[in-house]
Amino acid sequence: SQQGEEDPQALSIQEGENATMNCSYKTSINNLQWYRQNSGRGLVHLILIRSNEREKHSGRLRVTLDTSKKSSSLLITASRAADTASYFCATDAEYGGATNKLIFGTGTLLAVQP
Amino acid sequence: EPEVTQTPSHQVTQMGQEVILRCVPISNHLYFYWYRQILGQKVEFLVSFYNNEISEKSEIFDDQFSVERPDGSNFTLKIRSTKLEDSAMYFCASRLQGYNSPLHFGNGTRLTVT
Repeated sequence: SQQGEEDPQALSIQEGENATMNCSYKTSINNLQWYRQNSGRGLVHLILIRSNEREKHSGRLRVTLDTSKKSSSLLITASRAADTASYFCATDAEYGGATNKLIFGTGTLLAVQP
Repeated sequence: EPEVTQTPSHQVTQMGQEVILRCVPISNHLYFYWYRQILGQKVEFLVSFYNNEISEKSEIFDDQFSVERPDGSNFTLKIRSTKLEDSAMYFCASRLQGYNSPLHFGNGTRLTVT
């Protein structure tokens, strides 16, 4: 199975509600990152949480990391229609070599209904 | 804000033809990557590049693929003899450090092989 797997695969909520997406991974990591992708566009970095951190905030985003369970969650509070996008987690492996590729999960498609 | 630029945005080619996808990474970045994404699915790692050589490549990156950094700004991906299954979005990305830093993605080249 994949290094990063998000759930749910798809999530539909109303504007103003909170959206929670989860990510599980398998190997030891330096950090875990979340990215957003609007349809047909490139991925945009949202937030990076290091392996020694448990929680991080950025605006309406809250990320948690549990290295014992090899899992992370992304919470978007007070969602807006403009948050509609695919969200991917990506892991930066602990022993990834000189260029440490990021391994991306399968993504969660979030639809926020106005 | 500096960004990664990719050209062309869309490339249509016939099976067996060679294509070159071009990228201009962010100028002070040192680590370069190519990823691909088939029809909105998983973002797959192809190759990483640092210090003018390939650092790591995936199983997808077979002998038909090559990368070059011909000058100080461009980073190219060449597919020597395209196959139907090469149809995908190809994303170039760069980052300042090899780990613990975000990837900056271009908006991709949609490659269609007919």
